[in-house]
Amino acid sequence: DGGITQSPKYLFRKEGQNVTLSCEQNLNHDAMYWYRQDPGQGLRLIYYSQIVNDFQKGDIAEGYSVSREKKESFPLTVTSAQKNPTAFYLCASSTRGHTGGIFYGYTFGSGTRLTVV
Amino acid sequence: SQQGEEDPQALSIQEGENATMNCSYKTSINNLQWYRQNSGRGLVHLILIRSNEREKHSGRLRVTLDTSKKSSSLLITASRAADTASYFCATDETDTGNQFYFGTGTSLTVIP
Repeated sequence: DGGITQSPKYLFRKEGQNVTLSCEQNLNHDAMYWYRQDPGQGLRLIYYSQIVNDFQKGDIAEGYSVSREKKESFPLTVTSAQKNPTAFYLCASSTRGHTGGIFYGYTFGSGTRLTVV
Repeated sequence: SQQGEEDPQALSIQEGENATMNCSYKTSINNLQWYRQNSGRGLVHLILIRSNEREKHSGRLRVTLDTSKKSSSLLITASRAADTASYFCATDETDTGNQFYFGTGTSLTVIP
């Protein structure tokens, strides 16, 4: 079945530690996205990528980094510079890549819940 | 950046009743989407309506778009307990087109 896989489902980070969240899709989608969800605040865009080896900052990119070395993969690293990383992280993909194209909506993964301990 | 705002924040209805939730936004858009999120899960795409469309249907879902009022509504008819979830609208600005902005959601509870 085609879809997006996020791992791990739960992640615990110590103060000052970098952690990486995995996102893999087999939908052949060009574009991939990372969102952060906090209670009562909806989703906020961290980074997005419309083509391999290219990505753009979203509204809250500070303290995060990404890479897009393969079309299928878009890992997110939460660095120690992110002072309040406890949140629910959602990865998504879509058909809308760098050449535009018709947009049909996002496909989301099931999320990673990150907690600072 | 704009953000859709859903109204009401929370809605509780009896099974079989209809549920209506609204979304307002600030600037011109290309597309508006509605998503459902069950607790602790990812979002599921429900309907996308483009700026030149006024109404779309999908099963028990009906979405309307009024670009003059910059608002949209999602109607769920004959609700079921399984419809209990949070519902989000997402809009993309005409100028950028690459980013969708999500509202804070409407929490729907359907009482069996």
